[in-house]
Amino acid sequence: DIQVTQFPSSLSASVGDRVAIACRASQTIRNFLNWYQQKPGKAPKLLITAASNLQSEVPSRFGGSGSGTDFTLTISGLQPEDFATYYCQQSYFTPYTFGQGTKLQI
Amino acid sequence: QVQLQESGPGLVKPSQTLSLTCAVSGASLTSGDNYWTWIRQQPGKGLEWIGYIYDNGRTSHSPSLKSRVTISADTSKNQFSLRLNSATAADSAVYYCVRGLILTGYSLDYWGQGTLVTVSS
Repeated sequence: DIQVTQFPSSLSASVGDRVAIACRASQTIRNFLNWYQQKPGKAPKLLITAASNLQSEVPSRFGGSGSGTDFTLTISGLQPEDFATYYCQQSYFTPYTFGQGTKLQI
Repeated sequence: QVQLQESGPGLVKPSQTLSLTCAVSGASLTSGDNYWTWIRQQPGKGLEWIGYIYDNGRTSHSPSLKSRVTISADTSKNQFSLRLNSATAADSAVYYCVRGLILTGYSLDYWGQGTLVTVSS
């Protein structure tokens, strides 16, 4: 299985800050990497596909980059609604593994 | 608008079979672009990919669940199902049915609200 390591596991920030969340795969996954946002008690929401393609209706303050084994989710100008848990997921080989999650806290 | 809705027992006894169904609206199970997926999340934990069904019956599932998992589809009702045999407490989780869109390299774009299943006597 491809292991996906996400870090940090938790992150404290303030409204208006810029933050970055990293995701590393145990082998190359080209750009087959997606990012999700999950709020308590809710299903995850797809933010970014193929490492850097922002889903429609996702604010442009979210951005994704990377290829191969190293990827980054960046949020510029944090808003109150952005405080949530974020997951990356590789979709290169089954089983399509997720990172452990990053909890973004105020 | 694609919508998915899980249904099934919220309580399953250990060693019994966990069975869930997902009703899909706004998309067809027979569409080749869609991989109908099950994801679960144990309480306070991360997301775990269980498997999917696509292309009118082909399936793939996580090796970690070995032969306990069966994913099937009823195209006449536009719904798909999950069966997990020999359930244990470790299978207690929120189970989500999700659409995997192959056009974006398999991203999970539409999710059900999730259903909590507890395995306990």
